[in-house]
Amino acid sequence: GENVEQHPSTLSVQEGDSAVIKCTYSDSASNYFPWYKQELGKGPQLIIDIRSNVGEKKDQRIAVTLNKTAKHFSLHITETQPEDSAVYFCAAYTGGFKTIFGAGTRLFVKA
Amino acid sequence: DAEITQSPRHKITETGRQVTLACHQTWNHNNMFWYRQDLGHGLRLIHYSYGVQDTNKGEVSDGYSVSRSNTEDLPLTLESAASSQTSVYFCASSESPTSGSETQYFGPGTRLLVL
Repeated sequence: GENVEQHPSTLSVQEGDSAVIKCTYSDSASNYFPWYKQELGKGPQLIIDIRSNVGEKKDQRIAVTLNKTAKHFSLHITETQPEDSAVYFCAAYTGGFKTIFGAGTRLFVKA
Repeated sequence: DAEITQSPRHKITETGRQVTLACHQTWNHNNMFWYRQDLGHGLRLIHYSYGVQDTNKGEVSDGYSVSRSNTEDLPLTLESAASSQTSVYFCASSESPTSGSETQYFGPGTRLLVL
């Protein structure tokens, strides 16, 4: 069945460094790729998304890239800050109201 | 502001008891979802609904049921709680894809412990 693999499961960076989280999806029909941030004790919140007709999207310090041929998409966070520490989930929307989530990446930003 | 709420936020129950978790959204979204979150598994879909009177099973639906009698609410019922159902439960909603948005908006979660 459809699957989204996410790596790494844990990522620790120094404040000010960049962080990259990578995901691979299996269903070539996937056309929408959201990224969610989950802070402790809260529900996931959308931080950025990308559609299959776009290769890259930026929003201030965060960016997402999509390689449809390889079925890869990545989240890039530059100039990381302690408040970026959270769990990040990638997801792939496969149509039919179905969104498949990755297992999550726990990001630690050390001050 | 529109929002999605869940209650209770924390629940302790005993094996075999029936438990209902509430989810209420004021986005007026057609689609609503229930997920469970366990370490190492991310978010797994339990049930979902495309609209009033519509319900569908997700990948981990055994032991759970939902009903949709209005747009705003999708309660999740554990018919006979089991220790394997100890988890954090999230409700989410989204607009119809015909609106061009598949973004899901999540509630704050309910932490359930089954003893």
